[in-house]
Amino acid sequence: EAGVAQSPRYKIIEKRQSVAFWCNPISGHATLYWYQQILGQGPKLLIQFQNNGVVDDSQLPKDRFSAERLKGVDSTLKIQPAKLEDSAVYLCASTPLGGRLNEQFFGPGTRLTVL
Amino acid sequence: GESVGLHLPTLSVQEGDNSIINCAYSNSASDYFIWYKQESGKGPQFIIDIRSNMDKRQGQRVTVLLNKTVKHLSLQIAATQPGDSAVYFCAENLHSGYSTLTFGKGTMLLVSP
Repeated sequence: EAGVAQSPRYKIIEKRQSVAFWCNPISGHATLYWYQQILGQGPKLLIQFQNNGVVDDSQLPKDRFSAERLKGVDSTLKIQPAKLEDSAVYLCASTPLGGRLNEQFFGPGTRLTVL
Repeated sequence: GESVGLHLPTLSVQEGDNSIINCAYSNSASDYFIWYKQESGKGPQFIIDIRSNMDKRQGQRVTVLLNKTVKHLSLQIAATQPGDSAVYFCAENLHSGYSTLTFGKGTMLLVSP
């Protein structure tokens, strides 16, 4: 079974630029998560989708971050404009519909550096 | 020994030793906990979980202990191997009915051959 795919793996941008990350969850997984992991810290949930609907986006900085999962499969996370403090690894994870938390599988992440 | 580095607490052990990684969680209402292992350049990987109605759970070479009185979790790894070198995170489920996790800060485990 293929895992969660993310691209790009690395991205370097200057502050105030825009950036987008892509995630392809495990086939058939209905729930998709985006996490932000700042160096030296644990992942922090940004947004959770179930199919194409948002379940929880309470920690998403909506003034600059947006995410979509239009067809309930792939998802895109965008930052516009980026700030220095957005430098982090952005992790995508997925679980099956009705899946338990211990069935949450993570992708390798996209490492963003904002200069 | 255990030390606090610039970013992460670090535990250094010799191969074959037993390792104990500790975690303090934040919410007394949390009812489910998971330990994750994260290797460099990879996403977190599930190791073991425990529900709040238990105080101990064992897996293969790993044991999780839960002390709800002091809101403390520990992960014990028996006969630690170089392949166990990674950052270990505990995570708690704060919202019953929502499948969301809140992660702790992590501990780096370094295993010397």
